[in-house]
Parts: sequence; structure tokens; C-alpha cells
Amino acid sequence: GQQLNQSPQSMFIQEGEDVSMNCTSSSIFNTWLWYKQDPGEGPVLLIALYKAGELTSNGRLTAQFGITRKDSFLNISASIPSDVGIYFCAGLSLNTNAGKSTFGDGTTLTVKP
Amino acid sequence: DGGITQSPKYLFRKEGQNVTLSCEQNLNHDAMYWYRQDPGQGLRLIYYSQIVNDFQKGDIAEGYSVSREKKESFPLTVTSAQKNPTAFYLCASSPFVSGSRNEQFFGPGTRLTVL
Repeated sequence: GQQLNQSPQSMFIQEGEDVSMNCTSSSIFNTWLWYKQDPGEGPVLLIALYKAGELTSNGRLTAQFGITRKDSFLNISASIPSDVGIYFCAGLSLNTNAGKSTFGDGTTLTVKP
Repeated sequence: DGGITQSPKYLFRKEGQNVTLSCEQNLNHDAMYWYRQDPGQGLRLIYYSQIVNDFQKGDIAEGYSVSREKKESFPLTVTSAQKNPTAFYLCASSPFVSGSRNEQFFGPGTRLTVL
């Protein structure tokens, strides 16, 4: 089946630093999604990408849909303590039954004040 | 307010008992999903449903059962056959069965602890 490799697995950064994480796959996706999960809560959709090469921002967050359609990147600028959580990428393929998403294993972000 | 509700937030059960987790959505979404999340791990798909009265097994369906009698509701039963049921359970829904704009939206989750 389709698999996503999300890296890094965890990050420990100082408040104010920029953060980068990415997802790669051997399969092509038509949509890339980025979610954030706060401790004890459900994931919340941050950014959705629909076209190869697309670059989309949501406040301090910027995500890109890779040209090959096999990868995506998420950047967080000037991190703050409330950025702490788990960030998941997800890929959607038109060929996937029921529109199921394939999820990465997550990047756990810790921000030191 | 449109959204997905899961109840209860915390659930405790004795070993050997079946337990049913509730998931309701008022987003008029066609598809619904159940995931299991263990500490420090990603999301594993248990069951999903594209349409009322139809559902499919996901990657870890053993020991679980579901029903989809109404579009808005997709309850999950954790049976006594599930060997390690203590986990965080997430329900999600998405608007279309096919097509690229099919983002999943998640409920707040239910943390099940089996004593």
C-alpha cells in the first residue's frame, strides 16, 4: 500500500526559531494535507494543497506541494510555545478507495521558551 | 455549529466488556472513519464507511465492529476480542467519496482505558 515517510520524527527548538519538516512518498498524490494535533485532542487541518508546485501560507505556516507530487514540506517561522504538538502530513490519491488519506507518523515539536 | 462530536471524552471499562464509542457529524459528509492512536504513534485506520449501510475494514479491524445506519452517525464497538484496547480513538469524516478535495476532519477523540 501507499506509505509516507515523515521527518524528522521529533524536534526540540528554541522559541523564535524556524522549523521545517517534510513528507516523502514513492507514490504520487493529488492532494497534500497538513494537520496539527494538540495533546489529548483531535488533529486540526492547517493547510490543504491541491496542485503540484503550489505554495500556501496560513499565518506563520507555509506548506508546499512538491513538483514531483511525491513530497510536501511544512515550514513554521518564528516559533512560539503554542506551536507545540504533533504535526501530521497526509496524502490523497484520486485512485484511493473512499478518498482515504495516507498519514505520516507525525513530527513531534517541542518549543523551549 | 457544524462539526464532529465524540462522546465520552474519557471512558473506563473492565477487561472482557464490550464498549461502544459514539461519533456524530452534522457536516453532511458522506464518508466517515475510525482511527486508533497509541502514545507516540501515528494514526491507524480501523474501519471506514463511504455510504449508509456500508463499511469496510481498515488496517487493524480485528476486535472492532461498526455500523452506519444513519449518515450522521458511525459508532465503534470495541469488543472483548480486542487484545489491547486501551488507546485514543479518533473519528473523522470527509465530504466526498471520490475526488481530490476530500479532506478529513477529526473529532476531539475518546480516550479508552481498560482496567
